[in-house]
Amino acid sequence: DAGVTQSPTHLIKTRGQQVTLRCSPKSGHDTVSWYQQALGQGPQFIFQYYEEEERQRGNFPDRFSGHQFPNYSSELNVNALLLGDSALYLCASSLVAVTEQYFGPGTRLTVT
Amino acid sequence: KQEVTQIPAALSVPEGENLVLNCSFTDSAIYNLQWFRQDPGKGLTSLLLIQSSQREQTSGRLNASLDKSSGRSTLYIAASQPGDSATYLCAVNSGGYQKVTFGTGTKLQVIP
Repeated sequence: DAGVTQSPTHLIKTRGQQVTLRCSPKSGHDTVSWYQQALGQGPQFIFQYYEEEERQRGNFPDRFSGHQFPNYSSELNVNALLLGDSALYLCASSLVAVTEQYFGPGTRLTVT
Repeated sequence: KQEVTQIPAALSVPEGENLVLNCSFTDSAIYNLQWFRQDPGKGLTSLLLIQSSQREQTSGRLNASLDKSSGRSTLYIAASQPGDSATYLCAVNSGGYQKVTFGTGTKLQVIP
C-alpha cells in the first residue's frame, strides 16, 4: 500500500517565477492538506482540498493556490515566488475531515 | 485562534531514560491531537492520535495523554534509545475540515 507521495523532492527557483508541487494521497484517502514548514519551525497550514474544492485555508496570500483532481491527487501552485517562500512543503492525506493525517516526504523549495 | 506550545524546545538524555514531552494549547474545543516525529529534512511520521473523547493512547514504548480542560497533552517515551533522536511535534485539530495547528516541536537527542 503506497503512502503519500510528493514530487519533486527538491526544487530551485528564481524569485518571481512560478512553481507547481504535486501530491498523491494514501490509497483510500479523499482529503489532501498542504503545509509550509520553514527551517526550525512547525508546519503552517496552507489549505485543504476535499471533493475537488478548497474547504479550509490558512493565513497565506492568494499567490498560493491549489487544485484537487478526480483521483484525489493535488497540486500546490505558488506564483511570484519570494525568497521567504523557501521551505519544506508537506502534503498530508486523510479520510474525511477528522481522521489521522498521513504525511508525505515533502518537497524542499529553494528560492534564489 | 488556536496556539500550540511545546516545552522544552530541546532535550538531551542518556540512553535508557524515561522522558516526557509537553504540548499545551489555548483552545480546548478540539477534535483530536496527533503526535509526530520528524527526522532532519524529512516528512512527518504519525506516532499517536488521540480523539477528543479519549484520555490516552499507547503504542509500544510511547504513551500520549490528553487533558482538554487544562489544554495539555504529554508524550511519554519509556526506555529511550538513540533511534528515538528526532524532533517531536504535536498537532491540534481544532476546526472543521481539519484546521490543524502545530507546535514548534521538541528536538530530542538520546545519547548512547
